[in-house]
Formats: sequence, C-alpha cells, structure tokens
Amino acid sequence: DQQVKQNSPSLSVQEGRISILNCDYTNSMFDYFLWYKKYPAEGPTFLISISSIKDKNEDGRFTVFLNKSAKHLSLHIVPSQPGDSAVYFCAASGGLADKLIFGTGTRLQVFP
Amino acid sequence: DAGVTQSPTHLIKTRGQQVTLRCSPKSGHDTVSWYQQALGQGPQFIFQYYEEEERQRGNFPDRFSGHQFPNYSSELNVNALLLGDSALYLCASSLGQTAHEQYFGPGTRLTVT
Repeated sequence: DQQVKQNSPSLSVQEGRISILNCDYTNSMFDYFLWYKKYPAEGPTFLISISSIKDKNEDGRFTVFLNKSAKHLSLHIVPSQPGDSAVYFCAASGGLADKLIFGTGTRLQVFP
Repeated sequence: DAGVTQSPTHLIKTRGQQVTLRCSPKSGHDTVSWYQQALGQGPQFIFQYYEEEERQRGNFPDRFSGHQFPNYSSELNVNALLLGDSALYLCASSLGQTAHEQYFGPGTRLTVT
C-alpha cells in the first residue's frame, strides 16, 4: 500500500526554466510534508517542508504547494540549475514526532 | 561539526548470517531513526530510538533489532539475512523525535549473497 506516490520517475528540464515535481498521498491523517534531495553516494538532504495548515511555503528558488482536497503537493524550482540534478523524494508524516513515509523519488536532470 | 556518520560503507554477507550496522548522530541530536532503501524505492522506516528506547517501529520483522547507547549512537542488527535484505541502510538523526529536518548519513550498502 503506497501511501505516498511520485508517479514520474524522471524529469528533464533546461537550465533557467521551471522544474515541477509532483507527489500524491492517500492518507488524510498526514499533516506534515517534506521534500528531500539525494545525490549519489550521499544521504537524503532536507530541502523544504509544509504543514497542512498552509497551502504554500517558499524558500529561495524552492516553493512547495499543498492541495489538501486533492491530496497533492508539488515542488517548484525556479530557475533550475545544473546543480539541482538529483533524486527528489516527497515524504509525509502524521505529525512532527511521527515517522516519515517516503515516495519512490523523481530523478531530475537539468541540462544546459 | 560532524554530520551523521555510518559504518561500514559497504558490506557483503551470506544468506543466514547476522549483520550489525553503526550510526553516530549529528552533534547535539538525541534521536536516531533507521531506514531501508531498496533499489528504485524510497527509504522505508524501520524504527526510531530515543532515550535508549525503541519509540516507533515500521513494518519490519523481529529479525531487525536495534540499540541506542548513552552517547546517542545506535546500532541496527539484522539476523538470519535473506537475499531481500540487500539494500542501502540509512540512519537519520534529529532532536527530540521531530520528524522534520532529519539529517541523514550516507548509508551502508548491504549485499546478501
């Protein structure tokens, strides 16, 4: 039972354009959502998070949008840079002290 | 300021054997969580240790056990290894059981033959 789904295994974007990574979830009890970035041979790195009481959170080039009615969140990266090329994982939890449930990841490639 | 460290980096074991993986949390952190990441999948939560006790557990059999020491470091033990246990094992540390902003180590790649 995949509670957090990332249906696009890969995404290719030109440098300077917007990257949009999508994530869907099924458990309505989730109230905290996070994005992690993972480079090869490294552990995932926390990128940005959002609480279910918000519908948008922004940090520099990264913005996460949450649509609770659709159980959908997305990560926007503007402008995309070659250094953004990595695997991005969406994760959800039932609260700050709850375990993280990860999606399967989306591999982003930003080309010049 | 050292981040999360894990040892060993790589490990090859035979089916039926036992393995112990080690993790040192980021300085100042007191909570350690362990995840298993199979090829092409996202990390799956195994368990979390806080104040030397297992506080939460995912859907993993009892063959998977752990321990947290007074200095907050942790071990993951897997008994009776199966071929399906081959994966990247990630350790993450945080402060006070918070799920968000967990800091991950580079992982231990376990291969069971």
